[in-house]
Amino acid sequence: AQSVAQPEDQVNVAEGNPLTVKCTYSVSGNPYLFWYVQYPNRGLQFLLKYITGDNLVKGSYGFEAEFNKSQTSFHLKKPSALVSDSALYFCAVSPPSGGSYIPTFGRGTSLIVHP
Amino acid sequence: GAVVSQHPSRVICKSGTSVKIECRSLDFQATTMFWYRQFPKQSLMLMATSNEGSKATYEQGVEKDKFLINHASLTLSTLTVTSAHPEDSSFYICSVPASGGLADTQYFGPGTRLTVL
Repeated sequence: AQSVAQPEDQVNVAEGNPLTVKCTYSVSGNPYLFWYVQYPNRGLQFLLKYITGDNLVKGSYGFEAEFNKSQTSFHLKKPSALVSDSALYFCAVSPPSGGSYIPTFGRGTSLIVHP
Repeated sequence: GAVVSQHPSRVICKSGTSVKIECRSLDFQATTMFWYRQFPKQSLMLMATSNEGSKATYEQGVEKDKFLINHASLTLSTLTVTSAHPEDSSFYICSVPASGGLADTQYFGPGTRLTVL
């Protein structure tokens, strides 16, 4: 069975500083990995995904994530945080085959960027 | 990205009544849609997979007679919470897979906040 772990409930960072939101996964085979962002009382918005190819994936709003197969991680990063980045971030994994592409979501990490 | 709408965005109802939530895929046809439930400060819990023209597939522990799903067309899926109780109060979100293919991006609706008094 596939699983996703987001070990931090909350990440605090000062505006202008780099940020990292951690995600590790467990899945058979090569995974499809996603990051989504959720603003208060809103649905989730797609940020980026890794399917294959370059391990460093660039996405929306200046975010990027690095796929590390040996560490089974897919941490979300941004070089310089903005107050407007404050939101709930979800990592998700889907199996690459088997007919079931339903993603499994992590429990979410609340990112708080302080002015 | 694709646009997915939900209606209503917020609903308050009395205990024992039924509530219908609509999810529409505005940009493309969707043979499959997903329904999630999210509790405060928690992750999304997949409730069911809505399949156009056939019965929905429910996740373990989700009562299919309580959460009725109808995928009547390629752009519309509805979730009806029957005989709602306060414990059904939650944030319900639908999603549409981008292409219907394997492991693709999900496009989410804005969610519906249900409060049962």
